[in-house]
Amino acid sequence: DVKVTQSSRYLVKRTGEKVFLECVQDMDHENMFWYRQDPGLGLRLIYFSYDVKMKEKGDIPEGYSVSREKKERFSLILESASTNQTSMYLCASTGDSYNEQFFGPGTRLTVL
Amino acid sequence: AQKITQTQPGMFVQEKEAVTLDCTYDTSDQSYGLFWYKQPSSGEMIFLIYQGSYDEQNATEGRYSLNFQKARKSANLVISASQLGDSAMYFCAMREINTNAGKSTFGDGTTLTVKP
Repeated sequence: DVKVTQSSRYLVKRTGEKVFLECVQDMDHENMFWYRQDPGLGLRLIYFSYDVKMKEKGDIPEGYSVSREKKERFSLILESASTNQTSMYLCASTGDSYNEQFFGPGTRLTVL
Repeated sequence: AQKITQTQPGMFVQEKEAVTLDCTYDTSDQSYGLFWYKQPSSGEMIFLIYQGSYDEQNATEGRYSLNFQKARKSANLVISASQLGDSAMYFCAMREINTNAGKSTFGDGTTLTVKP
């Protein structure tokens, strides 16, 4: 069974902390994505990657960075967490352009 | 820039009846893909159905069908014979085919409630 996994379902951090959200896929997909989901705002793309060490900014990259050292792993980094980064974070991966995205279960992050 | 519009924040339907969830899109691309996803209260995103911009037939997957009207730039999801388990949030998405990673743009979602 194909799978996208995320390191935590729930996470609570304090303002100013450095936060790592990990995503791993086992489908050998080239493309990986990080979204945040807030009520009434749908899914907004933070960063995406189309190959190892390749990354591009999405629609709301401010306050975030990413790392893709291995094909199966895509990490989202909050360098200094702030309360307005409290949200649901969803990771996804996909193969070629005609395929759907496969999503992880999500990480609900609370920044106090 | 691509844009997806879902004008119905919430919808109600009686069990066993059909329901249509609206989606309109805006793009200057000729090649694109349209997707619908379901998100139950548990939070996971579940792929439902796909329509390619060059597909002449409307896509169907079991009780789901996509009413694709290219000239009107609409891609409505039709769920037939609604079930209580269909209660969820539904997202319409469009994917750029000819760009790096084929990233998607999502609508704001429609919350569907199926009444017994």
